[in-house]
Amino acid sequence: KQEVTQIPAALSVPEGENLVLNCSFTDSAIYNLQWFRQDPGKGLTSLLLIQSSQREQTSGRLNASLDKSSGRSTLYIAASQPGDSATYLCAGVDDYKLSFGAGTTVTVRA
Amino acid sequence: EAGVAQSPRYKIIEKRQSVAFWCNPISGHATLYWYQQILGQGPKLLIQFQNNGVVDDSQLPKDRFSAERLKGVDSTLKIQPAKLEDSAVYLCASSLERGGGEQYFGPGTRLTVT
Repeated sequence: KQEVTQIPAALSVPEGENLVLNCSFTDSAIYNLQWFRQDPGKGLTSLLLIQSSQREQTSGRLNASLDKSSGRSTLYIAASQPGDSATYLCAGVDDYKLSFGAGTTVTVRA
Repeated sequence: EAGVAQSPRYKIIEKRQSVAFWCNPISGHATLYWYQQILGQGPKLLIQFQNNGVVDDSQLPKDRFSAERLKGVDSTLKIQPAKLEDSAVYLCASSLERGGGEQYFGPGTRLTVT
């Protein structure tokens, strides 16, 4: 069974600082890795999907890397803004289903 | 393109009552998922449909939860009778294909059981 861990559970940074969010998983036979954003009271918005054959994906200020051998993925958010405040969840796909971490709640202070 | 639709958005019931949630996936998406997200945790998969067949319901508490996806389009998740620990957000997601395809989530239904 895939176990996904996200540390820290919460993070507070001043505006403009780069964010580094960590995700670790136990089963390296992961099919792909997906990063989501969740705003309070809302559903999940997909940010980036990294397939197993890829090592990273980029979208605007976001960059996500995947290292299957070490069981880790990292989400980088450059030049953080108050609008980036949200909970970020990672999920590994194997056996046709997503296994989620508990998320990292980010607060960007103006 | 319309997203995944869910209703109701909020529901408050007393324990032992029954409740039903509805989901309409993105048009053309063959795979539909129901997740339960308890406060402070990541979503947990309850059931996965491929068209109108169940692919995985291993984490669905079948003594009280049921789900169906008639005609392979929209889906209903029911809880009967509800317990206090069922208080959570119920998320519906869909994907074009089974497996590694990107999943798109609806806004969720927040259930409070008192």
